[in-house]
Amino acid sequence: DAMVIQNPRYQVTQFGKPVTLSCSQTLNHNVMYWYQQKSSQAPKLLFHYYDKDFNNEADTPDNFQSRRPNTSFCFLDIRSPGLGDAAMYLCATSRERKGADTEAFFGQGTRLTVV
Amino acid sequence: GEDVEQSLFLSVREGDSSVINCTYTDSSSTYLYWYKQEPGAGLQLLTYIFSNMDMKQDQRLTVLLNKKDKHLSLRIADTQTGDSAIYFCAERDSSASKIIFGSGTRLSIRP
Repeated sequence: DAMVIQNPRYQVTQFGKPVTLSCSQTLNHNVMYWYQQKSSQAPKLLFHYYDKDFNNEADTPDNFQSRRPNTSFCFLDIRSPGLGDAAMYLCATSRERKGADTEAFFGQGTRLTVV
Repeated sequence: GEDVEQSLFLSVREGDSSVINCTYTDSSSTYLYWYKQEPGAGLQLLTYIFSNMDMKQDQRLTVLLNKKDKHLSLRIADTQTGDSAIYFCAERDSSASKIIFGSGTRLSIRP
């Protein structure tokens, strides 16, 4: 059974039109991550939530926002997608406690196309 | 800052062993991971190793960790066509709960 679920698998959006990608998890993990992966490149961390605390990477453009309304769901909002934002977006989760942590589980990704 | 490096390509004959290498810079890494990514798919965790271990074996997979040299390797025994994929090495930055990925090694299998 899928534990980290991303919807949709494929998303086409128009240049400049806001788009939201979603991620849900059944693992009850306290950390959720969003990565951007462009073709033939390493996944690049955009931001992550540690419980309710939002942690933005220094080089993540302001165009990218995130929401985590509860433990199970996390959203990636792209306010004004540009052609350069076309990529695979990967959600991941992990459970972390002081002094111990676990491996990260990834969803299947959402491939975003900007037209 | 943290950095993870891998060679970009590896080609092996079907049935041979594949060895994919990785170097990392963060000496405080607690977990080191190997992920597999097939075309158009997400990342599949293959195996991971704690930083206090030297070796981990899981069926056809063997992970070796040289902490002194900050070198990690993944050996796939009896490589099959289904092993064709990109393999990502990753480390967990324990101070910041981040997972940092290498650029990936594309493994191709020749008959």
